[in-house]
Amino acid sequence: KAGVTQTPRYLIKTRGQQVTLSCSPISGHRSVSWYQQTPGQGLQFLFEYFSETQRNKGNFPGRFSGRQFSNSRSEMNVSTLELGDSALYLCASSSGWLRDSSYEQYFGPGTRLTVT
Amino acid sequence: AQSVAQPEDQVNVAEGNPLTVKCTYSVSGNPYLFWYVQYPNRGLQFLLKYITGDNLVKGSYGFEAEFNKSQTSFHLKKPSALVSDSALYFCAVRDTGNQFYFGTGTSLTVIP
Repeated sequence: KAGVTQTPRYLIKTRGQQVTLSCSPISGHRSVSWYQQTPGQGLQFLFEYFSETQRNKGNFPGRFSGRQFSNSRSEMNVSTLELGDSALYLCASSSGWLRDSSYEQYFGPGTRLTVT
Repeated sequence: AQSVAQPEDQVNVAEGNPLTVKCTYSVSGNPYLFWYVQYPNRGLQFLLKYITGDNLVKGSYGFEAEFNKSQTSFHLKKPSALVSDSALYFCAVRDTGNQFYFGTGTSLTVIP
């Protein structure tokens, strides 16, 4: 079974631009979560989608948004990029969602975003 | 308020010795607790989780963790460390509000 895939793997953008990252979950998984990883703040939860609905959201500004499609693929969008948005963005998929006791996440390799 | 704390940035242990990576949490209610490992140039991998039941949880690669409610801790342990266990370890907690928090990570180095 193929793992979680994220595209693109690397991205360079300038301040003020917007960016869209993509995540394809493991086949059959309906939950997709997004995380930001930086040296200073560590791993931070952005949001989780399950069956095309956002179920949980972390403490990030509204510039960070996401969506999930009927095939469970998810996209994350960051508008008006700031230098501080430079990070590794990780996507994780699960067959259940956060409330399920069987919840177990499988992570993708991440998208390395650099904002200049 | 920090929900998960990993008090040690770096842990060094000799190969063959037991290892412990510490984690404490500060969420109310009955949290779900997790351990993940991140190997160099590889993605984050799930090791084990505690949901309810037996306080000693066994996971992948011979790791186990002990849930201690009175001390609000969930330390990761392994009886005999391998050089290949050298990696970055993250503790995580899901609180009753379904928010997911990660610790800052502990870098484990197993010395041959």
